[in-house]
Amino acid sequence: SQKIEQNSEALNIQEGKTATLTCNYTNYSPAYLQWYRQDPGRGPVFLLLIRENEKEKRKERLKVTFDTTLKQSLFHITASQPADSATYLCALDSGNQGGKLIFGQGTELSVKP
Amino acid sequence: EAGVAQSPRYKIIEKRQSVAFWCNPISGHATLYWYQQILGQGPKLLIQFQNNGVVDDSQLPKDRFSAERLKGVDSTLKIQPAKLEDSAVYLCASSLDSGGNTDTQYFGPGTRLTVL
Repeated sequence: SQKIEQNSEALNIQEGKTATLTCNYTNYSPAYLQWYRQDPGRGPVFLLLIRENEKEKRKERLKVTFDTTLKQSLFHITASQPADSATYLCALDSGNQGGKLIFGQGTELSVKP
Repeated sequence: EAGVAQSPRYKIIEKRQSVAFWCNPISGHATLYWYQQILGQGPKLLIQFQNNGVVDDSQLPKDRFSAERLKGVDSTLKIQPAKLEDSAVYLCASSLDSGGNTDTQYFGPGTRLTVL
């Protein structure tokens, strides 16, 4: 069955550094992948979508890569700020019509001043 | 633009009791999703509606969970009877179009359910 793995341990970094989060998947080939941010007590908020034929996507300080050979996506936040502290979720399309997403368990990022 | 609204925000019940959650999606959004998020895990899709029809309910425990979306707008999710393992945050999301594969999903704040 489809399986998605994100860094289970929290990531702690210093303000100004680049945060890199990993999303690995097995047993299928998604057509696209999305990244969401979730703050405590709130629902996830969409950040970026990348398709299988795209190697890289950028939005302001965010960059996502999608390597279909390695079955991995990397999510980068450059010049990180304490306000970037949150849990980041990757989600892959299930391969079925209708937009059903399968979410990873999320990685908690903490940016220290 | 108003976001996805959910109520209540918190609910505490005893096991074997019933509970219902309500969701009002963003105006004009055709597709509505209910997710269950257990602490430390990502959201898991329970049911997806397009307008008032069910697109996917393959992971909905139908012996105790039910959901409806009357008139293709608001939706309710019910659990009857609740079990301890139902303790989770129940998230509602909506998307604009027909649930196409790249539609952005907009999430509500969720309802945190505790079953004692």
